[in-house]
Amino acid sequence: NAGVTQTPKFQVLKTGQSMTLQCAQDMNHNSMYWYRQDPGMGLRLIYYSASEGTTDKGEVPNGYNVSRLNKREFSLRLESAAPSQTSVYFCASRATSGNYNEQFFGPGTRLTVL
Amino acid sequence: QKEVEQNSGPLSVPEGAIASLNCTYSDRVSQSFFWYRQYSGKSPELIMSIYSNGDKEDGRFTAQLNKASQYVSLLIRDSQPSDSATYLCAVNSKGGGNKLTFGTGTQLKVEL
Repeated sequence: NAGVTQTPKFQVLKTGQSMTLQCAQDMNHNSMYWYRQDPGMGLRLIYYSASEGTTDKGEVPNGYNVSRLNKREFSLRLESAAPSQTSVYFCASRATSGNYNEQFFGPGTRLTVL
Repeated sequence: QKEVEQNSGPLSVPEGAIASLNCTYSDRVSQSFFWYRQYSGKSPELIMSIYSNGDKEDGRFTAQLNKASQYVSLLIRDSQPSDSATYLCAVNSKGGGNKLTFGTGTQLKVEL
């Protein structure tokens, strides 16, 4: 049981390049989330998927797109990377039984945009 | 006003002491409250959740919730150097999707 996995762990992009961050969970969770974490800003929600087939914007969605490929996988795409998107990106999934909003995080992707 | 506020610290406590971490939130209808521990360079790890007023204990950790004062705290008893980390407070957000809003975290340093 791997929990939440993310690839890649590290990535360096040039301004204007595109890339997709991958996330998968094996806990049969319905809801999945993408956050970014910047110094002094805490974790901010980019997009989330309450269930397979649905996605919604979070606090900071500009410059990103997402795809909920199936129940397990939720990807985040940067179409044209900008230096302001340099950050650590975390994917999380939410337990769907028992307690309500407990979210569990993947190991993160450290992205640098030059 | 930030939705979830924490003192950024660092909070320094000697080994064996009680560390007290505090968090206030602005949305009166919030129902779910969480504490995450984050070591430097690592991802947040859930350590406590609390949903009702009062105290909830789990090992050396006690979460305290006071909805009337919109205040949630985390006590760590017998603090160890391995407890040195940033502690994030999270509160369920307005609207659907079971979203969480996070504070910016309090850095805890447990000194030998």
